[in-house]
Amino acid sequence: NAGVTQTPKFQVLKTGQSMTLQCAQDMNHEYMSWYRQDPGMGLRLIHYSVGAGITDQGEVPNGYNVSRSTTEDFPLRLLSAAPSQTSVYFCASSSPAGWGTDTQYFGPGTRLTVL
Amino acid sequence: QKEVEQDPGPLSVPEGAIVSLNCTYSNSAFQYFMWYRQYSRKGPELLMYTYSSGNKEDGRFTAQVDKSSKYISLFIRDSQPSDSATYLCAMGTYNNNDMRFGAGTRLTVKP
Repeated sequence: NAGVTQTPKFQVLKTGQSMTLQCAQDMNHEYMSWYRQDPGMGLRLIHYSVGAGITDQGEVPNGYNVSRSTTEDFPLRLLSAAPSQTSVYFCASSSPAGWGTDTQYFGPGTRLTVL
Repeated sequence: QKEVEQDPGPLSVPEGAIVSLNCTYSNSAFQYFMWYRQYSRKGPELLMYTYSSGNKEDGRFTAQVDKSSKYISLFIRDSQPSDSATYLCAMGTYNNNDMRFGAGTRLTVKP
């Protein structure tokens, strides 16, 4: 049981380039989400999914796309990278998509720098 | 004004000290309150979860919520060097989709 895995761990992009951050979980969780973490800002929700084929926007969705074709995978796509997207990106999963005993498990993060 | 305010520290204490970490918030609709611990270059992990007002204790950790003052606290008793990490508060109204995080307080416990 690997939990939540993210690749790559580090990435440097030039402005205007596109890329996909990968996220996978092996816990059969319905709910998956992407956050970015910036100094002094805390974690902010980018996009989330409550199940395969269902995605929705979070607090800061602009410049990012997501899709959920399987329960296990939830990739985050940067369409045209901008320096403002320099951040640490975390993927998380939980089941079901609510509170109570629903612990969110976070991946180890991807550190992205956009030049 | 941010919805959730958290003093970033850094906070440095000697081993064995009682640590108090705090957050204030502005949205009175928040009813779920969490504390996460994040070690350097790792993802956050859930420490404590509280619904509505009151106290919750788990080992050396105690979480307090005062909804009337919009103030939450995390106390760590008998702090250990292994407690050195960044502590994030988070809160929400209904589910994971509307959680708001504090910026985190960096804690160092010196042997």
